[in-house]
Amino acid sequence: SSEVTQDPVVSVALGQTVRITCQGDSLRIYYANWYQQKPGQAPVLVIYDKDSRPSGIPNRFSGSSSGNTASLTITGARAEDEADYYCQSRDTSGNHWVFGGGTKVTVL
Amino acid sequence: QVQLVQSGAEVKKPGASVKVSCKASGYTFSSYDIHWVRQASGQGLEWLAWMSPNTANRGVAQKFQGRVTLTRDTYTDTAYMDVSSLISEDTAVYYCARGRLYGGNSYFDYWGQGTLVTVSS
Repeated sequence: SSEVTQDPVVSVALGQTVRITCQGDSLRIYYANWYQQKPGQAPVLVIYDKDSRPSGIPNRFSGSSSGNTASLTITGARAEDEADYYCQSRDTSGNHWVFGGGTKVTVL
Repeated sequence: QVQLVQSGAEVKKPGASVKVSCKASGYTFSSYDIHWVRQASGQGLEWLAWMSPNTANRGVAQKFQGRVTLTRDTYTDTAYMDVSSLISEDTAVYYCARGRLYGGNSYFDYWGQGTLVTVSS
């Protein structure tokens, strides 16, 4: 399968924890990576190799994976975390790259 | 610092071609793959293609095979993507991104600013 799927919309109260999930057969083979995108901006890598954070990404962002599901967790959500989040992996053949449809996170 | 700087916005007629450039700086261009991703207005990210500046090996998503051509200039550290036979549905922001490979995993650690391509008669 070449698809990874995400819930389209998630909301979280300020300071609370939110988990965004991504499902797909390829996630049994390849790690998920996660990107944050704010309106009018290019995506920014926030988690790679399932659970690693690039330099400069706050530690309230964390990643995990089990079976065909990967998760991005924001612990203690801030207003600036309101954005679209995309998971990304390779397809099961390994020859192409795939993105989930994106999850819009609203911080209430 | 690592930068990917893309060419400016384009307006094209249906059936025409567009060539988008992506100039890399701040790292060894030949050491990392370049990927191309697009995003239509209000829509998600869609992966199009990749190229190794070192070997010129490349791959194109099945949906775009026959319409997307990738080239690079290792003297100017610039990657190019040519999209032909444009239709209105190709209207989108096109991004280049640097690819990282670790084991079997692959991700995009730096992105260009995006190039808006508008296809309209």
